Amino acid sequence: QKEVEQNSGPLSVPEGAIASLNCTYSDRGSQSFFWYRQYSGKSPELIMFIYSNGDKEDGRFTAQLNKASQYVSLLIRDSQPSDSATYLCAVNLGTDSWGKLQFGAGTQVVVTP
Amino acid sequence: DGGITQSPKYLFRKEGQNVTLSCEQNLNHDAMYWYRQDPGQGLRLIYYSQIVNDFQKGDIAEGYSVSREKKESFPLTVTSAQKNPTAFYLCASNNRDYTGELFFGEGSRLTVL
Repeated sequence: QKEVEQNSGPLSVPEGAIASLNCTYSDRGSQSFFWYRQYSGKSPELIMFIYSNGDKEDGRFTAQLNKASQYVSLLIRDSQPSDSATYLCAVNLGTDSWGKLQFGAGTQVVVTP
Repeated sequence: DGGITQSPKYLFRKEGQNVTLSCEQNLNHDAMYWYRQDPGQGLRLIYYSQIVNDFQKGDIAEGYSVSREKKESFPLTVTSAQKNPTAFYLCASNNRDYTGELFFGEGSRLTVL
């Protein structure tokens, strides 16, 4: 069973601080990596995707990918109360299973004023 | 606006009844998916379809059935054989591209009475 692992949290972050979320995956053939944000009772919404080793920045969010170590992380800078949500890491398992994403259980982030 | 429409948003079912969840997309996506989410857990794949008139079982297909007669539609039937159907059901779609990004509907919450 191909697995995607995340710390469940909750991760408590003071407002204005950096939230750091980590995700590890078991399948070395994984091609693309996604971070989705999910508010309680709502559907997931895409925050970022990354497919090359290194960093990718988009506004206050930075995704980091290290395929050799099989981990992907998400940094949220200047955390805001609106960032309080569950963050799901998802992995595309490769070209022979395109579009199928394997999800982690999610990390709950709580930003405290 | 393009998007994915799921209905109903909330559904109550008595034990022993079959129920069908609707999913319609106007994004012209080839592939459609059904995921199940339980509290505190990630998304688990039930069924997916990459082309009309063809679909594949996901990780937890037992007790569910689907059809894909039209590109735009991918209904999910939760049968009486599904022993624990109370969950949040998410429909998603995407196209074959290098990212594999999934687009989600708003979800359907099924409760068994």
